[in-house]
Amino acid sequence: DAKTTQPPSMDCAEGRAANLPCNHSTISGNEYVYWYRQIHSQGPQYIIHGLKNNETNEMASLIITEDRKSSTLILPHATLRDTAVYYCIVRVGGQSNYQLIWGAGTKLIIKP
Amino acid sequence: KAGVTQTPRYLIKTRGQQVTLSCSPISGHRSVSWYQQTPGQGLQFLFEYFSETQRNKGNFPGRFSGRQFSNSRSEMNVSTLELGDSALYLCASSLLGSYYGYTFGSGTRLTVV
Repeated sequence: DAKTTQPPSMDCAEGRAANLPCNHSTISGNEYVYWYRQIHSQGPQYIIHGLKNNETNEMASLIITEDRKSSTLILPHATLRDTAVYYCIVRVGGQSNYQLIWGAGTKLIIKP
Repeated sequence: KAGVTQTPRYLIKTRGQQVTLSCSPISGHRSVSWYQQTPGQGLQFLFEYFSETQRNKGNFPGRFSGRQFSNSRSEMNVSTLELGDSALYLCASSLLGSYYGYTFGSGTRLTVV
């Protein structure tokens, strides 16, 4: 069963920050939150992951609430190429034996 | 560095037939996972192989099977195909213990008619 809840779709203007929310209220203390995106007709692409602290890389920032029940993926300056389905995922299991439990995803449309 | 390669990209089969899909992971990656993606069910985990052994298995019938070879390449097989098996089948590879998750291939689009 999915452990995450996301809005089915969102729009964002090109050049603005895209903020994608995710609810994971049943997450356990050692379960990581991962974000992937899938551009049409391609395999999913890793974006970022985190456990408790906020994380940032060249693609995005991940903000996790203190109670870890929700998180937000931020694309700071969205471009048309960021149009994709974004998946918020919980990783269950240990470091060497884990599974990614996928939600339904948010279809993000970047508008010119 | 070559990515994850899946072959074939597209496949059309008749109900009742069987099919084999192939996945070549990134060099050095020893873990290969398979997913089924459909519009109705989304991404569902099929199984994971590591060092030629199945390590995890999702909730799919026994018609779905897989194996991994000593060079880490993996195949999945679906026997007695049903119309509902039409889907995008995705393969992903990862390093053992990697916190950076999986690298996915572009998938094999299977259509059962």
